Amino acid sequence: DAKTTQPPSMDCAEGRAANLPCNHSTISGNEYVYWYRQIHSQGPQYIIHGLKNNETNEMASLIITEDRKSSTLILPHATLRDTAVYYCIVREEDDYKLSFGAGTTVTVRA
Amino acid sequence: GAVVSQHPSRVICKSGTSVKIECRSLDFQATTMFWYRQFPKQSLMLMATSNEGSKATYEQGVEKDKFLINHASLTLSTLTVTSAHPEDSSFYICSARPGTADLVFSGNTIYFGEGSWLTVV
Repeated sequence: DAKTTQPPSMDCAEGRAANLPCNHSTISGNEYVYWYRQIHSQGPQYIIHGLKNNETNEMASLIITEDRKSSTLILPHATLRDTAVYYCIVREEDDYKLSFGAGTTVTVRA
Repeated sequence: GAVVSQHPSRVICKSGTSVKIECRSLDFQATTMFWYRQFPKQSLMLMATSNEGSKATYEQGVEKDKFLINHASLTLSTLTVTSAHPEDSSFYICSARPGTADLVFSGNTIYFGEGSWLTVV
């Protein structure tokens, strides 16, 4: 029973911003939005998370809509090394069992 | 970010033998670790939750007698695949959660190891 919906794939140009959407229309008030990515043949890498405010760190920005039913991960200047599968996950603060959907396969092209 | 290390990164074993995969949290004490399995072109599937000093909790459909998990210390969990068969060949990934008392790493963030490729021949 998937809690999030993401497009299966997207391409973006190197140096441009990549905007990755995620729908989580059934998110509850105490659930956070987490983003991880998995580069081929590696373990997932934590990117960013948020509850309701927009967040930014050295890797990305997370924009969460006011109704919290969707969010967008923004990679400001995509590089070839950002090619990976990106997973949007919602979880309660005290639930550490992450459920991975299919994610979005992002291909950054030169 | 925090480092969670797995060993070995790749292992080949013969059918019927057992193989152990280690997961270590190098930067923090992990009261809870998780084991996932990922088949090619598929997503990660949670196998079990490993709690330090207690028995692991297995997800539905995962055989606890086949996938033995030991979390003997706050920095080490091991997964032993017993009587391995070719269908057990997969990418095994662990993750760890820092304790709430950790002053550097957030207990709300889960950190993953690099994964271990198991091939059973």
